[in-house]
Amino acid sequence: QVQLVQSGAEVKKPGASVKVSCKASGYTFTSYDINWVRQATGQGLEWMGWMNPNSGNTGYAQKFQGRVTMTRNTSISTAYMELSSLRSEDTAVYYCARERTRDAFDIWGQGTMVTVSS
Amino acid sequence: SYELTQPLSVSVALGQTARITCGGNNIGSKNVHWYQQKPGQAPVLVIYRDSNRPSGIPERFSGSNSGNTATLTISRAQAGDEADYYCQVWDSKDVVFGGGTKLTVL
Repeated sequence: QVQLVQSGAEVKKPGASVKVSCKASGYTFTSYDINWVRQATGQGLEWMGWMNPNSGNTGYAQKFQGRVTMTRNTSISTAYMELSSLRSEDTAVYYCARERTRDAFDIWGQGTMVTVSS
Repeated sequence: SYELTQPLSVSVALGQTARITCGGNNIGSKNVHWYQQKPGQAPVLVIYRDSNRPSGIPERFSGSNSGNTATLTISRAQAGDEADYYCQVWDSKDVVFGGGTKLTVL
């Protein structure tokens, strides 16, 4: 079945970087964009950006410009989101979600908890 | 930047109809998508492009969009519908989510 499976929970110190993976299966990886959305505890959904796995093109929310990098490895159908210069406010669950041509996010990963603490 | 406004909470009696609104400037000109999120789970798409249901979503879920308001309607509300609901649009190349609405089924 179509699914996105994310890497496990991470604990990082302030100032460090984290890289979360999102492995796609059950569909052609390069046919759908991958978006990243995060959610702090008790808060709403916050969009971080998108990546086209076919071209590698990306688009980032202004808030994360300069701090986020989205990449992929098409040979293993996996997308990555790296966030640098972490601070406590980055503590959240990070989700990947697929979407085609600025449409709805129809499949979501299970989420990855990232905790930033000294 | 574009903003979407949702009520913080909506309550509905068991078996009655719940309506959750999503306000935005001329939102009727955009495609609106709705997600359901239960505690500890990832969001699930329940309505896409204003009024379409993905496979597996009950017919009790419906949507509309006109003017400055999009609406998610849940008919014959069940206890299992209790969740947070988010609306979402694309604004040029950016994604915008509403703040979310907590639906309580009484």
